[in-house]
Amino acid sequence: AQKVTQAQTEISVVEKEDVTLDCVYETRDTTYYLFWYKQPPSGELVFLIRRNSFDEQNEISGRYSWNFQKSTSSFNFTITASQVVDSAVYFCALSEAWNYGGSQGNLIFGKGTKLSVKP
Amino acid sequence: NAGVTQTPKFQVLKTGQSMTLQCAQDMNHEYMSWYRQDPGMGLRLIHYSVGAGITDQGEVPNGYNVSRSTTEDFPLRLLSAAPSQTSVYFCASSYTPVSPVNEQFFGPGTRLTVL
Repeated sequence: AQKVTQAQTEISVVEKEDVTLDCVYETRDTTYYLFWYKQPPSGELVFLIRRNSFDEQNEISGRYSWNFQKSTSSFNFTITASQVVDSAVYFCALSEAWNYGGSQGNLIFGKGTKLSVKP
Repeated sequence: NAGVTQTPKFQVLKTGQSMTLQCAQDMNHEYMSWYRQDPGMGLRLIHYSVGAGITDQGEVPNGYNVSRSTTEDFPLRLLSAAPSQTSVYFCASSYTPVSPVNEQFFGPGTRLTVL
């Protein structure tokens, strides 16, 4: 069965600190996708990144970076020099590769990590 | 493109009432789905559809019905609302299988309270 675990329920940091959000996943598939979404206090879900299982390169986008390690089934998210605007709930999610007519497009979400960045 | 739209944004129901949450997308996506978000639970899949005329159950389907008569619309029906259905509901859609990318686009959500 597929499962996503975000062990950190809440994290509080002071502005400019670096923070890493952990995500551990379980799947028996060899082809799958991993995602991170941000949910700010306004409530919408904002897509941050998608990774397929064959691409283990780390990715950096501005202050955001992601570390994908298949050996440990982890897809961790680091915010460098955090800002107050980073305060949100962050969700990690997993889906199987798409096959038409199947359920593989469905996302399995972790329970989320609430990040509070204080000035 | 409006993307994924949901109506209403907020709704208060009494136990036993019925209602339909509307979801529409204008991106010609074949795949659409409904999730509910409860505190501390993340998002859980209610129902999904891989194309017009095809629907299937997700993780938490009880108490909800769906239909998909057009590519654009995927309404979620609560036949007899219960307080346990108090939640935030998100509709999502994604590209057809020919795209190698499996990104889902989410609507803004509907906050439902059942008294």
